[in-house]
Amino acid sequence: QKEVEQNSGPLSVPEGAIASLNCTYSDRGSQSFFWYRQYSGKSPELIMSIYSNGDKEDGRFTAQLNKASQYVSLLIRDSQPSDSATYLCAVNSWNTGNQFYFGTGTSLTVIP
Amino acid sequence: EAGVTQSPTHLIKTRGQQATLRCSPISGHTSVYWYQQALGLGLQFLLWYDEGEERNRGNFPPRFSGRQFPNYSSELNVNALELEDSALYLCASHDPSYEQYFGPGTRLTVT
Repeated sequence: QKEVEQNSGPLSVPEGAIASLNCTYSDRGSQSFFWYRQYSGKSPELIMSIYSNGDKEDGRFTAQLNKASQYVSLLIRDSQPSDSATYLCAVNSWNTGNQFYFGTGTSLTVIP
Repeated sequence: EAGVTQSPTHLIKTRGQQATLRCSPISGHTSVYWYQQALGLGLQFLLWYDEGEERNRGNFPPRFSGRQFPNYSSELNVNALELEDSALYLCASHDPSYEQYFGPGTRLTVT
């Protein structure tokens, strides 16, 4: 079983819609959770971090964490064509020596 | 505030040679992570350096090694290069809140 799993997509949404990206993780001891955006040929860019259960909002982005279900999600409101990228979920745990595990990413296309 | 820098941008080596990749973290950050991102695969954790010490390493052979210097910059060395080592190598600067900020990466091609 992979430590972090994401639906690889591709996910297509029309401009202005809400894009919903999901991630599950296997280590119950994980403490820190992150979403990164990666454009083709570029390095990952941190979008949001979340550490406790519930929602965290930052502009058009909302991260949701449910530790009981071992589930993290990212909502992108009012999606723009510039949001078209691969979104990576990352999980950190001290149980594994502060190692970070990344999912393989979900490819998002926002259609104008 | 300057971001994470990596050099070189591209590196072409032949099988069996050695490659050296360099990274400078964000000023004030003492911790550096190295990752390998092969085509079509996710980021694979390679090494973690903090305060000059290797703190953890991923599931890679010993020919992947590195070090961290007193100024917290870091170097990744890959010995006896194999074709499957061709990948994007990313360095991440790690802050006390566990957030990681990536450099632009080094694209290593082994022929």
